[in-house]
Amino acid sequence: EAQVTQNPRYLITVTGKKLTVTCSQNMNHEYMSWYRQDPGLGLRQIYYSMNVEVTDKGDVPEGYKVSRKEKRNFPLILESPSPNQTSLYFCASSQETGFRTQYFGPGTRLLVL
Amino acid sequence: GNSVTQMEGPVTLSEEAFLTINCTYTATGYPSLFWYVQYPGEGLQLLLKATKADDKGSNKGFEATYRKETTSFHLEKGSVQVSDSAVYFCALLDTGRRALTFGSGTRLQVQP
Repeated sequence: EAQVTQNPRYLITVTGKKLTVTCSQNMNHEYMSWYRQDPGLGLRQIYYSMNVEVTDKGDVPEGYKVSRKEKRNFPLILESPSPNQTSLYFCASSQETGFRTQYFGPGTRLLVL
Repeated sequence: GNSVTQMEGPVTLSEEAFLTINCTYTATGYPSLFWYVQYPGEGLQLLLKATKADDKGSNKGFEATYRKETTSFHLEKGSVQVSDSAVYFCALLDTGRRALTFGSGTRLQVQP
């Protein structure tokens, strides 16, 4: 089954404790992206990647890092989480060629205390 | 920059009622437009899309027409069901960054 998976689905952590949210897709997509969803703001892009070893900032990159060492994986790293990063995070992927549709993962709900 | 404005919710309707969720956008050029749906506890799913002016996207009884003259992409359904209860997001595609710019979402509640 074609899908985007994220882990963990739920996470509670404390300020300053480094964490990684994993994202993996099995559709051989070149493009991957991270969004955060906050009430009243819709989804905002954090980082995106056009292909392996190619990443770039989205609209709200501060406090986040990403890497793209393999085509299927695109982890989101919070080196020193803060309470304002409490949010619902979505990973998405799509084909570069004829790009029109993004496929979303199920989401990771993060609470930073 | 790009922006998408949606009507605020929640929208509460009775089953079989007519649905309209308004969406307008601001963008340079001719973006592709989308409606995504998010069911409780799930990720976003593409509902329908339109890639050029006057295109009509449709799926599962939902429709939306790309209106360049009014920069709108309103979502409609003739007869809603309880199973349509979800949050609906209008979005446009920034072709440069391959990024979707989303509206704030509209929650639809359909009562039996």
